[in-house]
Amino acid sequence: DAKTTQPTSMDCAEGRAANLPCNHSTISGNEYVYWYRQIHSQGPQYIIHGLKNNETNEMASLIITEDRKSSTLILPHATLRDTAVYYCIVRAFNDYKLSFGAGTTVTVRA
Amino acid sequence: KAGVTQTPRYLIKTRGQQVTLSCSPISGHRSVSWYQQTPGQGLQFLFEYFSETQRNKGNFPGRFSGRQFSNSRSEMNVSTLELGDSALYLCASSLRLAINEQFFGPGTRLTVL
Repeated sequence: DAKTTQPTSMDCAEGRAANLPCNHSTISGNEYVYWYRQIHSQGPQYIIHGLKNNETNEMASLIITEDRKSSTLILPHATLRDTAVYYCIVRAFNDYKLSFGAGTTVTVRA
Repeated sequence: KAGVTQTPRYLIKTRGQQVTLSCSPISGHRSVSWYQQTPGQGLQFLFEYFSETQRNKGNFPGRFSGRQFSNSRSEMNVSTLELGDSALYLCASSLRLAINEQFFGPGTRLTVL
């Protein structure tokens, strides 16, 4: 019962912005959009989350459409170390568990 | 501050055996969650512990169990191993129950032959 849809893979040039789309057309009013990433041989790493306003932190920016049916994670200046699988998920604020699908495999090329 | 540590990092077992995996959360974190990650099923929630009590449980058979100690360290046990139990087992810690930001360890790669 997939709640989000992401492209399977994408390439990005080092130093350029990487824009990762995610569709979540069935998102509920109390569900947040979360982004995690998993670098090879490591555990998942939290990136950012948001409800309806755009969010920015030291790692990335999250742009959520006004109807909340889709969002975009922006890595402003991609580096080789950003090569990873990126997961977009929706979950209620008090939901105790995470569940990832296949995610988007992002490859940053020099 | 040290991150979440998991031991061992790699493990090979045979069917029918049992295994115990260990997780040490970030200092001060009291909640520990366990997940199973496989290529086919993705990341699946096993259980969450807080203050030495299992607070939430995923949809896994009783062969999967866990516990948490007074210092917040946690162990999970899988008995009567099956081939399908081969996976990356991840531990995540957080300050409190059901909090937004969970910090994951590197995982234990279990291979069942």
